[in-house]
Amino acid sequence: NAGVTQTPKFRVLKTGQSMTLLCAQDMNHEYMYWYRQDPGMGLRLIHYSVGEGTTAKGEVPDGYNVSRLKKQNFLLGLESAAPSQTSVYFCASSHGQYNEQFFGPGTRLTVL
Amino acid sequence: DQQVKQNSPSLSVQEGRISILNCDYTNSMFDYFLWYKKYPAEGPTFLISISSIKDKNEDGRFTVFLNKSAKHLSLHIVPSQPGDSAVYFCAASSRFQAGGTSYGKLTFGQGTILTVHP
Repeated sequence: NAGVTQTPKFRVLKTGQSMTLLCAQDMNHEYMYWYRQDPGMGLRLIHYSVGEGTTAKGEVPDGYNVSRLKKQNFLLGLESAAPSQTSVYFCASSHGQYNEQFFGPGTRLTVL
Repeated sequence: DQQVKQNSPSLSVQEGRISILNCDYTNSMFDYFLWYKKYPAEGPTFLISISSIKDKNEDGRFTVFLNKSAKHLSLHIVPSQPGDSAVYFCAASSRFQAGGTSYGKLTFGQGTILTVHP
């Protein structure tokens, strides 16, 4: 039981490049989330999904897209990376809306 | 507009003493509160939670207190241990309607770095 895994762990991009962050969970959770963590800002919700095939915007969605084609996977895409997207990205999942969220180990992204 | 605030960026405590981490919130619609612990290079892990119908929840060395009138919650760790050294985030949840389904969205504070000295 791996819990929540994230790929890759680190990545360096140039401005304008695109990439996809992959999140996978093996707990059969309905809800999945993408957060970013910046110094002094805590964790801010980018996008979330309440089930396979559904996605919705969170607090800071601009510049990101997501897809939930399979229940166990939640992808976060950056179409044209900007230096402001330099951050640590965390994926999380939960069984229900009031259940604890389980987090992945994070992806450290640097955009030059 | 920071709806959940942890005003102390850091806290230093001696091993065996009590650690008290504080969190304030502004949104009266928040009805569920959680504390997460985060070690470097790892994701946050759930620690303890409390519903707005309670004012205290205990789990071993960890106790969370909720004061709804003051919109304040605190996490007490007694006794503190060096392994408790980490960043602690408080989070609050509010129900909102999304496509006719209620959904609890978490809003996190900025985090407090706790250091427990041997």
